[in-house]
Amino acid sequence: DVQLVESGGGLVQPGGSLRLSCAASGFSFRSKWMHWVRQAPGKGLVWVARINSDGSSTSNADSVKGRFTISRDNAKNTLYLQMNSLRVEDSAVYYCAREVAGSYYFDYWGQGTPVTVSS
Amino acid sequence: DIQMTQSPSTLSASVGDRVTITCRASQSVSSWLAWYRQKPGTAPKLLIYKASNLESGVPSRFSGSGSGTEFTLTISSLQPDDFGTYYCQQYSSYWTFGQGTKVDIK
Repeated sequence: DVQLVESGGGLVQPGGSLRLSCAASGFSFRSKWMHWVRQAPGKGLVWVARINSDGSSTSNADSVKGRFTISRDNAKNTLYLQMNSLRVEDSAVYYCAREVAGSYYFDYWGQGTPVTVSS
Repeated sequence: DIQMTQSPSTLSASVGDRVTITCRASQSVSSWLAWYRQKPGTAPKLLIYKASNLESGVPSRFSGSGSGTEFTLTISSLQPDDFGTYYCQQYSSYWTFGQGTKVDIK
């Protein structure tokens, strides 16, 4: 079965850093593009970042450009999101999601990891 | 950026009712539109892709239609398990979600 398990969330002060991980299993991780999507408390879904299958190409939402970096380790079947210069408005549940090959929509999502940015 | 607007924001319907949710894009997204359902405390689940294609394992009471800027998700006969918040997502240019439609069962 396809599984995506996020970890690394927690409480951090404004201006701080956090690295999220998403451990993938049950499929060929190295062949899939992957994404991070976040959801602030009581709010909707917002796309954050995307990485291609070999990690050579990434793109970020404008709201996180220059602060967040998506990366992957295909040997470890793990996706990462390095979050720097965190702001209160970055508080959310962060989901990793798998993109359907060549089709750009998401077929599997993890259960999410919560990030709270507060002093 | 492409903006997605859903209506209504909330709806309450009875078991067996036909339910329709609308999603409008600020510019054409062709048929590059997906629908997801999210239940409280859980991850979103893919229902429909490319506007009208039913994801494997999703009950046939769900259907999607539309192209360009206007799309609909229809549940032909609402079931108790269909509660949750439904989101449309365009993937024509990057990825944008609608604000969600919360469906309650009366």
